[in-house]
Amino acid sequence: AQSVTQPDIHITVSEGASLELRCNYSYGATPYLFWYVQSPGQGLQLLLKYFSGDTLVQGIKGFEAEFKRSQSSFNLRKPSVHWSDAAEYFCAVGPIQGAQKLVFGQGTRLTINP
Amino acid sequence: NAGVTQTPKFRILKIGQSMTLQCTQDMNHNYMYWYRQDPGMGLKLIYYSVGAGITDKGEVPNGYNVSRSTTEDFPLRLELAAPSQTSVYFCASSFRDANEKLFFGSGTQLSVL
Repeated sequence: AQSVTQPDIHITVSEGASLELRCNYSYGATPYLFWYVQSPGQGLQLLLKYFSGDTLVQGIKGFEAEFKRSQSSFNLRKPSVHWSDAAEYFCAVGPIQGAQKLVFGQGTRLTINP
Repeated sequence: NAGVTQTPKFRILKIGQSMTLQCTQDMNHNYMYWYRQDPGMGLKLIYYSVGAGITDKGEVPNGYNVSRSTTEDFPLRLELAAPSQTSVYFCASSFRDANEKLFFGSGTQLSVL
């Protein structure tokens, strides 16, 4: 069965600094991979997704993620964070066929220092 | 565009009470989902539906029931509420399946005391 691990529960970075959030997955084949963001009091919003093609995926709000098959990773990056990026970030993996269920990681809470 | 609308936003229940969480979407999406979110646990799928009249269990269906009589609505019923059902509940929808973009409602925070 597929699984997702986000090793960092909470990360604090300064505004303007670079950001990398880690995600490792377990799946027998190439999965669909997602990053969702949850702002306080809101539902989740899709930042980006990957299935095939270029392993560097661009998303909304200036985020990107890189798929590394050899490391079973799909880390999320942003070169310069803004105070509005403070939120909880979830990595998720989906099966290829008959996809009804996404498996979500535990989430990483991002705090931005002014 | 309203998207996915959930009501209520907050609710406190006593043990053994029942309630229905409402979810409606105006995007003509075929797929709808109910997730619960517990601190540090990510989201767990409770039930999902692939179209009107068709529902199926997710990872954590015990203590819940759903129905899908229309494309727009996907209510979640809690029977005999228990403290273990204290959680934040999210409804979501997608046009084709979960590997497409999910659109989430803003959630219902439920406490069972």
